[in-house]
Amino acid sequence: NAGVMQNPRHLVRRRGQEARLRCSPMKGHSHVYWYRQLPEEGLKFMVYLQKENIIDESGMPKERFSAEFPKEGPSILRIQQVVRGDSAAYFCASSSVERGNTEAFFGQGTRLTVV
Amino acid sequence: GNSVTQMEGPVTLSEEAFLTINCTYTATGYPSLFWYVQYPGEGLQLLLKATKADDKGSNKGFEATYRKETTSFHLEKGSVQVSDSAVYFCALKAGTASKLTFGTGTRLQVTL
Repeated sequence: NAGVMQNPRHLVRRRGQEARLRCSPMKGHSHVYWYRQLPEEGLKFMVYLQKENIIDESGMPKERFSAEFPKEGPSILRIQQVVRGDSAAYFCASSSVERGNTEAFFGQGTRLTVV
Repeated sequence: GNSVTQMEGPVTLSEEAFLTINCTYTATGYPSLFWYVQYPGEGLQLLLKATKADDKGSNKGFEATYRKETTSFHLEKGSVQVSDSAVYFCALKAGTASKLTFGTGTRLQVTL
């Protein structure tokens, strides 16, 4: 059973370009979470999704950021018109909906560098 | 809202020293509590968890006990190794269908 897969591991974008980050959850998991980690800082919650639904997007910036988790395929975090301040590590985690199964498993992250 | 407070780092210890990293939380209801570890350049790995009061989570020599009366989940290890050098995150989850809320992380550096 493969773990949470994120790609790419490293992504370089010029200011103004779009960044697309992908996350394939663990098999059987239907909940996905995205977190951002700035250098030497903790993890900031961005968005929580189930298949085809956004459950909690309280941590998403109001502009330029969007996320989806379609019925088929990976979850996508999309950042439009990137700026230098978007440079960070973006982590995806997944969990199941089974009763009592509370832990989330993390991917290796995508390190975005905006130049 | 829910929140987690961790002791600030870095924590620097000699090998075989005793480790304590404090963690306290604020939450409605009865959250599950977690410790995650992040090695340099890597993602987060679940270290241990506890899902109800007085539960003790343990793994790889690390332990933490869910103390409802003090709303704490302190991480301990009796004898640290150089390979334990990493950043440790305390987290809570207030139900199956809710997000993980993290503390700011505590960097541990173990020297020979």
